[in-house]
Amino acid sequence: DTEVTQTPKHLVMGMTNKKSLKCEQHMGHRAMYWYKQKAKKPPELMFVYSYEKLSINESVPSRFSPECPNSSLLNLHLHALQPEDSALYLCASSRDLTGGPQPQHFGDGTRLSIL
Amino acid sequence: GESVGLHLPTLSVQEGDNSIINCAYSNSASDYFIWYKQESGKGPQFIIDIRSNMDKRQGQRVTVLLNKTVKHLSLQIAATQPGDSAVYFCAEISLSGGSYIPTFGRGTSLIVHP
Repeated sequence: DTEVTQTPKHLVMGMTNKKSLKCEQHMGHRAMYWYKQKAKKPPELMFVYSYEKLSINESVPSRFSPECPNSSLLNLHLHALQPEDSALYLCASSRDLTGGPQPQHFGDGTRLSIL
Repeated sequence: GESVGLHLPTLSVQEGDNSIINCAYSNSASDYFIWYKQESGKGPQFIIDIRSNMDKRQGQRVTVLLNKTVKHLSLQIAATQPGDSAVYFCAEISLSGGSYIPTFGRGTSLIVHP
């Protein structure tokens, strides 16, 4: 079982809807990440939070809005998405960003389909 | 055999064979490298890592080789089993703006035939 939990596992939404993806970890990690993964492609980094502050935004469109309410939770708010935003959205965590290179722990993702 | 093209590279092997999956990385300053396994419907799972001051590291049935001269990484899986069927990604970790950020390679699909 993964130590990073993502909900929901699947989400179908229309282009005018507002929804949120949720991610939770209880490993005491202080770095959390959102990735987008299209079929047969590697994960693409979207956002990185370090100690609950947004550290990296990889030029992601504003229709994606991340939020880190506390050290265990990471949300991704979605609004007015486009069909090309359909993908697997992965959350990951690591101990921190600056204390040396280290592996990330991934959740199993939310499969998002935009109608 | 292995096929590489516009789509995900695929390696097909027979159960019991040894598998070798290759990865070329881009940043000669990368400090650390990781191999992840991603099964269908799952997120990437850590398999093995290696630091840039090493050229080989062994785990259980897996070995990672690092050739910094040609910026090449490989994952060797011994006695491949059907449960090893998955997509394998290499990731390089480099220091950028004070943070250690991963960059994923394009991935290889491993298919193990019983």
